[in-house]
Amino acid sequence: GAGVSQSPSNKVTEKGKDVELRCDPISGHTALYWYRQSLGQGLEFLIYFQGNSAPDKSGLPSDRFSAERTGGSVSTLTIQRTQQEDSAVYLCASSFRTGENEKLFFGSGTQLSVL
Amino acid sequence: AQTVTQSQPEMSVQEAETVTLSCTYDTSESDYYLFWYKQPPSRQMILVIRQEAYKQQNATENRFSVNFQKAAKSFSLKISDSQLGDAAMYFCAYFPGQGDYKLSFGAGTTVTVRA
Repeated sequence: GAGVSQSPSNKVTEKGKDVELRCDPISGHTALYWYRQSLGQGLEFLIYFQGNSAPDKSGLPSDRFSAERTGGSVSTLTIQRTQQEDSAVYLCASSFRTGENEKLFFGSGTQLSVL
Repeated sequence: AQTVTQSQPEMSVQEAETVTLSCTYDTSESDYYLFWYKQPPSRQMILVIRQEAYKQQNATENRFSVNFQKAAKSFSLKISDSQLGDAAMYFCAYFPGQGDYKLSFGAGTTVTVRA
């Protein structure tokens, strides 16, 4: 696609429910990143994919968070048993190769609100 | 994780005037990259300017320029001739390079432009 696409744009859920956030990177981009932006905070690294592999999951806050990437393209971030502190904007970014931060393209994020 | 500090939560500037945003960071590396990103209400992060630490010359992109003080670990952004479209949140980010892939972000500075 022309840019990094994220869906849904906004998600409101009840505490305890599971949610799935989707990221569709730019075609051909092998590296994909998930960041979380809490209110009044900078972006916090969550996980990074090179192809379908996730070499570093150390940024995931708890075992309620998981992510996968299939076909070297679409990625899904899943949050199980959501808590109020999970409320944040979840941003996805992609680049052609790992470490090309000057060529890193961001999506518009998913605003997650847990009531 | 590297620490990036933006000490100004909010800045206001008159249209056509100049505003400077401050950023300091902590690292023991000698070679790295620094970035300023702009985040408008659309939430999409847009790269404004980048600086390689090995370059002494300050980066410039049209009305945007930086003052990079390596010894002081300071990386400020100057926006000249401010325009209404410059209103956004600005994030300073650090990238170590050398095979690493994580950006470390500051907490951001909200810039308001007065007409």
